[in-house]
Amino acid sequence: DTTVKQNPRYKLARVGKPVNLICSQTMNHDTMYWYQKKPNQAPKLLLFYYDKILNREADTFEKFQSSRPNNSFCSLYIGSAGLEYSAMYLCASSRVLLGGRFEQYFGPGTRLTVL
Amino acid sequence: GDQVEQSPSALSLHEGTGSALRCNFTTTMRAVQWFRKNSRGSLINLFYLASGTKENGRLKSAFDSKERYSTLHIRDAQLEDSGTYFCAAEAAGNTGKLIFGLGTTLQVQP
Repeated sequence: DTTVKQNPRYKLARVGKPVNLICSQTMNHDTMYWYQKKPNQAPKLLLFYYDKILNREADTFEKFQSSRPNNSFCSLYIGSAGLEYSAMYLCASSRVLLGGRFEQYFGPGTRLTVL
Repeated sequence: GDQVEQSPSALSLHEGTGSALRCNFTTTMRAVQWFRKNSRGSLINLFYLASGTKENGRLKSAFDSKERYSTLHIRDAQLEDSGTYFCAAEAAGNTGKLIFGLGTTLQVQP
């Protein structure tokens, strides 16, 4: 089973309110990723967890938080949503392969709309 | 920064014909993945290549790290092949970070 699950599939949030998105996988993958995709743009990596170590991209460092309470779950947290956060949020997971390769499997995404 | 240039942005094929999608990379990439977005919007894994070629049914992909490109060939296109195809390259380093192309929207016509 190569399924990555995301909840909710659709999220409506008010400006200034927090948002918490959930991702889970049962493949025992050691790495979980969050990407942001806006219309007519390519998905962009926001952050990833390798085991318990969080790595955030430099240009999104202060905008997103994440937690990984166990191997299977990973959340993406926005403390105060702004209109610019409206996007599709994609979660992915991977396991290190021989030679350090990382095939990623993606969830269906959560479409966040901030009003 | 590292970029992935995917072409064409849109492609129309008649059933039974074939074509190729291409991704060019501005720097040396470690590996490439090809995805197809299904009707529910999920990215479906088609190929993962660190080098060489792979084939699966009517699809075949190639990746040349040195020449900085990857291709996805579709032969004998069927109506159900319609959709958006993405390539994503794994950047150098040990993060597994994927850099995506903008996608190719394929329309297969009868």
